[in-house]
Amino acid sequence: AQKITQTQPGMFVQEKEAVTLDCTYDTSDQSYGLFWYKQPSSGEMIFLIYQGSYDEQNATEGRYSLNFQKARKSANLVISASQLGDSAMYFCAMRGPSTISSGSARQLTFGSGTQLTVLP
Amino acid sequence: DSGVTQTPKHLITATGQRVTLRCSPRSGDLSVYWYQQSLDQGLQFLIQYYNGEERAKGNILERFSAQQFPDLHSELNLSSLELGDSALYFCASSAQETGSHEKLFFGSGTQLSVL
Repeated sequence: AQKITQTQPGMFVQEKEAVTLDCTYDTSDQSYGLFWYKQPSSGEMIFLIYQGSYDEQNATEGRYSLNFQKARKSANLVISASQLGDSAMYFCAMRGPSTISSGSARQLTFGSGTQLTVLP
Repeated sequence: DSGVTQTPKHLITATGQRVTLRCSPRSGDLSVYWYQQSLDQGLQFLIQYYNGEERAKGNILERFSAQQFPDLHSELNLSSLELGDSALYFCASSAQETGSHEKLFFGSGTQLSVL
């Protein structure tokens, strides 16, 4: 079974500084995808970044980058030059391969989230 | 804007009632997913449809049902509502049915309050 662990319930960062949000995962699959989503106070879930388990390079999307350490099963999100608008809940998620027989096991599994607050 | 449309945005109802949540996926996406987000359970997968057919079930109660119509929009029906059903219900869509690379794009959610 897949499991995502986010050990930081809350984080604070000063505006313009970088911050790392931790995510570890557990899976027996060789092929999987790792995702980060942002949920601002307004409630919507916004896709940020994706990393495939076979991708050799860390994913980057603007100010977001994913520090992928496969051997350690970690997929930390790094936000550079934090902005006040980055204050939100951040979720790490994982999806297994299509070859899993159980349909529910192929679904996106979420961690418990990290509430990030950017201070002016 | 993710391109996924959910209505209504807010819903307030009483215990024992029945409600219907509606979702229109992104243009071209064939797969629709329903998730429930609550404070105690976090984000839980409920059910997935692909091109009109049910593909996977998660922690969905028997009082809940869903369907995907020929125009690909989906509805989640919640009946005999209980206080514990109060939650934020998300619809998401993706282009394909499965695949670890398939990104899900979420709607803005329906906040259900059962009083």
